[in-house]
Amino acid sequence: GAVVSQHPSRVICKSGTSVKIECRSLDFQATTMFWYRQFPKQSLMLMATSNEGSKATYEQGVEKDKFLINHASLTLSTLTVTSAHPEDSSFYICSARAGHSTGELFFGEGSRLTVL
Amino acid sequence: GNSVTQMEGPVTLSEEAFLTINCTYTATGYPSLFWYVQYPGEGLQLLLKATKADDKGSNKGFEATYRKETTSFHLEKGSVQVSDSAVYFCALSSVHSGGSNYKLTFGKGTLLTVNP
Repeated sequence: GAVVSQHPSRVICKSGTSVKIECRSLDFQATTMFWYRQFPKQSLMLMATSNEGSKATYEQGVEKDKFLINHASLTLSTLTVTSAHPEDSSFYICSARAGHSTGELFFGEGSRLTVL
Repeated sequence: GNSVTQMEGPVTLSEEAFLTINCTYTATGYPSLFWYVQYPGEGLQLLLKATKADDKGSNKGFEATYRKETTSFHLEKGSVQVSDSAVYFCALSSVHSGGSNYKLTFGKGTLLTVNP
């Protein structure tokens, strides 16, 4: 199947700094990418949907100024956690969809963020 | 809104044992149902799916039947292997989500450990 890669897989940062996580579709063009957050022993919570070349659509309760999402090309979306705080520590997962609206989703390996 | 409830883990089985992981859902309309698997250190992968009532999804010896009357999509495998050790997620999408905002709603995940 298609491959989606996230980088970095783990990142530790100090409180107040910003962290960027990349999500790349390696062998297909992703018209839509999704960013999820997963807390321990919890389900994946959709944070936002991004379409190439347009602004991301954020889910209710997600701060768009804190979680900046950019989908500048058909193979790359980035999530930037701005002014990170310990409560932002979590596992962030991206997924990408090629083609039509009901196409299969392909998931990245996830990125674990720890904010000290 | 949509929701997915799946069996709490962890589940520990011996090799060749029978596996059932329960999943029930609440949704409007006619959702599609999915099981995703996440092996250690990897991203989520689609295991199987069913798009309408009474459909049976199957893959790698796993099966799940879309039961509209009981709003369930239980995952089963007749004889598990050590290599099946992973986290399993039940998920649904609403057919009426449509467009570029095709979204998945996930259960919390069930950790399966198979011992030799």
